[in-house]
Formats: sequence, C-alpha cells, structure tokens
Amino acid sequence: EAGVAQSPRYKIIEKRQSVAFWCNPISGHATLYWYQQILGQGPKLLIQFQNNGVVDDSQLPKDRFSAERLKGVDSTLKIQPAKLEDSAVYLCASSLALAGGGEQYFGPGTRLTVT
Amino acid sequence: LAKTTQPISMDSYEGQEVNITCSHNNIATNDYITWYQQFPSQGPRFIIQGYKTKVTNEVASLFIPADRKSSTLSLPRVSLSDTAVYYCLVGGYGSGNTGKLIFGQGTTLQVKP
Repeated sequence: EAGVAQSPRYKIIEKRQSVAFWCNPISGHATLYWYQQILGQGPKLLIQFQNNGVVDDSQLPKDRFSAERLKGVDSTLKIQPAKLEDSAVYLCASSLALAGGGEQYFGPGTRLTVT
Repeated sequence: LAKTTQPISMDSYEGQEVNITCSHNNIATNDYITWYQQFPSQGPRFIIQGYKTKVTNEVASLFIPADRKSSTLSLPRVSLSDTAVYYCLVGGYGSGNTGKLIFGQGTTLQVKP
C-alpha cells in the first residue's frame, strides 16, 4: 500500500514569510497528525485530526500556525509569518484507529529552513 | 500522559543482542507501551507495542514487568543497519483517549562492525 505522502521535501524561506506543507495520509486512515521535529529532539505533536475534526491542538502556536483537513483526507499545515525557531522537520503521520492508540505511519517529512 | 526516561545513547557490535530499557513510573492503567525507530532524514517507524508481559514480532521483543513501570526493547543480533534512534512512548487507548504520543529524546544506538 502507498505510504504517507508529503510535499515539498525541502523548503527554504526568509523570516516573516509564509509557507505551507501538504500531507496525503494512507487511504482509509481516520486519524492524521502533524509533528514538529527540531534537530536532536524527538517529534512534538502540533495537531491531531480525527476525520476532519480537531482532536488535539494544545501545542500548536495558533498565532502563526494553522492546519486544516478538508473532507477528512488531505491536510495542509501553514506557518505565517515564519520565525527562525520554526526551522525543523515537519512530519505528518496517520493511523487507522479512531479512538487513539494504534500504529502511526509517518511520512518522510518536510525540512524547513528559515533564514 | 506518562513521561518516559531512556538512555541517551548506546553502543553495540554486530551480532550482539541489544536491550534498551525505558522507565515510565507514572504509566496509567489504559496506557500501552510503544517503540519507534528513526533513521536520519526519515520519519519514525513502528517497531512493537505491548501492554504487559512479553510481546515478540519478527524484528524485536518487548518485555514488560508486572508493575509496568519500565519496559525493555530487545533487538536480537543487531546489524549495522540497526543504527538509529529508538523512542519509547506510552499512550492510552479507547474512548476518551486521543492516542497522543509524547516522544522523548530517544536512545541513539550505534552498531559497530
């Protein structure tokens, strides 16, 4: 089966610019996650969707980050305006489980560099 | 959500068995223990998951004592390709739980020839 797809793979922007990342989860997976992974650290959950509803966005910096999952399939994560500390890899994951738990399948990530 | 503690790094040699222990003193009744592996420039990959006692699959074993306050990931006969970061996570299942996973720093395993 096809895995989680993400694009772009790499992005370089200047601070105060905006950027968007796209994720296509595995077909049939109800739950979708966006993580931020700073170099040398473990991934940090930014937002979790179940179908097209938000389950958890407690660690999403809502003043600059936004995410949506239209029709419960694809998702986009946007940063506007970007700061230097947003330089990280942004990982998308999906899982079949509806009520939490279960194996999460991760995409390859988008490496963002903010200069 | 229970916090986990694991060694920052470990070294091993090819062909050896590697055991990575994770501490999770505040694990809740409905928490499962899950281990992920991450190679550079890739997303984490699921290795194994368990609730209690022992779980074994084609790549690893997971040992969980009766009090569930710790767990040990066992990798038999490691090879150079097992060099990676290994994360131990705990999270809940079922109604009312989001399945939220909290990743720590992980354990960097270096396998030497």
